[in-house]
Amino acid sequence: EVQLVESGGGLVQPGRSLKLSCAASGFTFSNYYMAWVRQAPKKGLEWVATISTSGSRTYYPDSVKGRFTISRDNAKSSLYLQMNSLKSEDTATYYCARRDTTDYYYYFDYWGQGVMVTVSS
Amino acid sequence: EIVLTQSPTTMAASPGEKVTLNCLASSSVSYMNWYQQKSGASPKLWIYGTSNLASGVPNRFSGSGSGTSYSLTISSMEAEDVATYYCLQLSSYPPYTFGAGTKLELK
Repeated sequence: EVQLVESGGGLVQPGRSLKLSCAASGFTFSNYYMAWVRQAPKKGLEWVATISTSGSRTYYPDSVKGRFTISRDNAKSSLYLQMNSLKSEDTATYYCARRDTTDYYYYFDYWGQGVMVTVSS
Repeated sequence: EIVLTQSPTTMAASPGEKVTLNCLASSSVSYMNWYQQKSGASPKLWIYGTSNLASGVPNRFSGSGSGTSYSLTISSMEAEDVATYYCLQLSSYPPYTFGAGTKLELK
């Protein structure tokens, strides 16, 4: 059974840093691109970052580029999100998601339960 | 960046009613994915590649579209379909984008 379990969330002051982790199990982690998606309270979903299987390629939207870093440790089947210079607008539930593909279609098929990050003084 | 506009924002449907949710892309995309999110839960993959139902999705759901216009249809609304539905495009180079969601309620 595929499982993604996020951890590391909490309350942090503006301008500080936080690192999220996602422990994966039930599949060969190193074979899949992985991603982070967030959801501000009562708001919609926002893609935050994607990382290739080896970790050599990473992608971010402008809203977090230069502040957030996605990484992975395939030996530990773990995904990470280092968040620096946090702002109040980064307050959200952060989901870890697996990217799969069928034919020519890409999609996020499995999601974790999410971890809450609150940025406030 | 491709912007996805979902309509309606909110709608209510009666049991047995046909429901159509729309997702309009600002530029042409090759396909669309849809997610169902119930209150307090993580999103679930619902439809991928425009029209392919994810595992376990009832066949009263269907997806269609091409280019800039995509839709998710429920042939006969049921109480368990109450949720927010999001479209997501992964077909173009990043940034990947979600629609703002359609909240579907029971009338």
